[in-house]
Amino acid sequence: GAVVSQHPSWVICKSGTSVKIECRSLDFQATTMFWYRQFPKQSLMLMATSNEGSKATYEQGVEKDKFLINHASLTLSTLTVTSAHPEDSSFYICSARQENGEQFFGPGTRLTVL
Amino acid sequence: QKEVEQNSGPLSVPEGAIASLNCTYSDRGSQSFFWYRQYSGKSPELIMFIYSNGDKEDGRFTAQLNKASQYVSLLIRDSQPSDSATYLCAVESGTYKYIFGTGTRLKVLA
Repeated sequence: GAVVSQHPSWVICKSGTSVKIECRSLDFQATTMFWYRQFPKQSLMLMATSNEGSKATYEQGVEKDKFLINHASLTLSTLTVTSAHPEDSSFYICSARQENGEQFFGPGTRLTVL
Repeated sequence: QKEVEQNSGPLSVPEGAIASLNCTYSDRGSQSFFWYRQYSGKSPELIMFIYSNGDKEDGRFTAQLNKASQYVSLLIRDSQPSDSATYLCAVESGTYKYIFGTGTRLKVLA
């Protein structure tokens, strides 16, 4: 299957700081990428849909000013958690969509906010 | 609210047995259905996708879809301890968006 990478794989930060997470499709171009959040023992919750060259579409209840998404190229989307707080601690996973509709997930980024 | 329902388990089966995982969904317009496996602390990996009613087989895995009943299942034959994981059902709803079930935790007992 296609390969999607995420960086960093884990990050620990102080409350109030901003954290940027990168998602890259390594061997295909992805016009659409998705950002999910997963709390322990819960399922993946879609946060937003990232479209190359246009604004992201956020799911209901997700603050767009807090979770900034940029999809500047066909292989890179970034999620910036601004002014992070302990309740933002979670496992953040991106996925990239191939033309045939299949989505491939990155390995995830574990964010811990102290 | 579009929903995808799964029994959280755990579902315990002996090694070599068939594991049957079930999923129901509420959006009658859904056309694409996916099964992912997720090991603890890792991101999901795609096992199978199915678009048409009936069965689709891939190795030890068989996906079954019944759109009339809004039901999709995954059978794992000859279950191995390495199959122990959480299995997530995902339904494509709307433009490319996936709705995930809460997952079923499978334990294969050696």
